[in-house]
Amino acid sequence: DTAVSQTPKYLVTQMGNDKSIKCEQNLGHDTMYWYKQDSKKFLKIMFSYNNKELIINETVPNRFSPKSPDKAHLNLHINSLELGDSAVYFCASSQAAGNGYTEAFFGQGTRLTVV
Amino acid sequence: DQQVKQNSPSLSVQEGRISILNCDYTNSMFDYFLWYKKYPAEGPTFLISISSIKDKNEDGRFTVFLNKSAKHLSLHIVPSQPGDSAVYFCAASDTISSGSARQLTFGSGTQLTVLP
Repeated sequence: DTAVSQTPKYLVTQMGNDKSIKCEQNLGHDTMYWYKQDSKKFLKIMFSYNNKELIINETVPNRFSPKSPDKAHLNLHINSLELGDSAVYFCASSQAAGNGYTEAFFGQGTRLTVV
Repeated sequence: DQQVKQNSPSLSVQEGRISILNCDYTNSMFDYFLWYKKYPAEGPTFLISISSIKDKNEDGRFTVFLNKSAKHLSLHIVPSQPGDSAVYFCAASDTISSGSARQLTFGSGTQLTVLP
């Protein structure tokens, strides 16, 4: 029973298209994230979202938008895809602790290829 | 501007010996540090963590050491096993903007290869 699941695992699409990646967590966590792993293998945060606020990394183009229909889902919508958007995208979730931090659990990743 | 750095992209160790993976950080606001392990085509999986108020945390074969004054942490794996071969990411946590959410900042990873 996968804790954080993303679909699809692979996505190949043409420039200019609009696509979505879905993410669901069954851990009951209150915070979800989207990370991008670029060609240099860095994992960079794109969004952090809980039921209180959405935090956007200012370097993320506004073509990217997270949508959360409920606490267990955080989908990633990408408009007008560009070649440079090709990367692996990871969804993650964590639970805010009373006095500290609990580790984030990651999905298996979605490899997006824009051609 | 990399706030978390892993300067060794790769490390090879003989089975049974100790593996030491290093990580440096620059942001003094980080208050929690984690190590993640990643196999190809999978997401990172949590390995071990340490709070900034501690200098050592141990879990089985894995020990993380934190030197706050040097802004340095390391992961020790003893004894190393072939199944430990993976990419290891160091990550540091702090609060975001208003303080109601937290974020992880990752290093670039170190590929560990444990030779039989």
